[in-house]
Amino acid sequence: DIQMTQSPSSLSASVGDRVTITCRASQSISSHLNWYQQKPGKAPKFLIYAASSLQSGVPTRFSGSGSGTDFTLTISSLQPEDFATYYCQQSYSTPLTFGPGTKVDIK
Amino acid sequence: EVQLVESGGGLVQPGGSLRLSCAASGFTFSDYDMHWVRQATGKGLEWVSAIGTAGGTYYPGSVKGRFTISRENAKNSLYLQMNSLRAGDTAVYYCARVHRAHDSSGYYYDYFDYWGQGTLVTVSS
Repeated sequence: DIQMTQSPSSLSASVGDRVTITCRASQSISSHLNWYQQKPGKAPKFLIYAASSLQSGVPTRFSGSGSGTDFTLTISSLQPEDFATYYCQQSYSTPLTFGPGTKVDIK
Repeated sequence: EVQLVESGGGLVQPGGSLRLSCAASGFTFSDYDMHWVRQATGKGLEWVSAIGTAGGTYYPGSVKGRFTISRENAKNSLYLQMNSLRAGDTAVYYCARVHRAHDSSGYYYDYFDYWGQGTLVTVSS
């Protein structure tokens, strides 16, 4: 099974900050990496697929990069609605696996 | 508008069974792979099962042999039959649609583009 890790597990930031979240796979997954945002009590919301392709309607302050085993999600200027937990997920092989999440809260 | 609505969750004793349903609307259900993903309270997301358009099924080791995913395209419905339930199966269960995107090189990338609101399953005596 492919293990996914994320760092940091949580971070505190202010509105307007640039935020970077790292996701690492235990083996190469090419670009088969997706990102989701989840707010408390809600279902996850899809943000980015294929490591760097932004879902239609997702603000352009979100961006993704990476390939192989190392990936990043960047929020260029954090907005109040961005405070949430972010998960990466590999779709390279089954069992599909998610990272443990990164909680972004208000400093 | 794409909608996925789960139902069937509830309280069940260890060793018991439960059947979850997911009603889909707003898209051609038979054209999409469908999955179940669960989340224990305060924990991360865990993939539970998948079913392809042709009916092929996939499971992680944690539920293989205990859970069965199925679909009924005529009713636009997805199901998860859960047997031999354990305390560790307690979670919110989401159904999710998979979108397959193709790039110019012919590669494809799958992702969960729509999720239901979830249904809570509690396994406890």
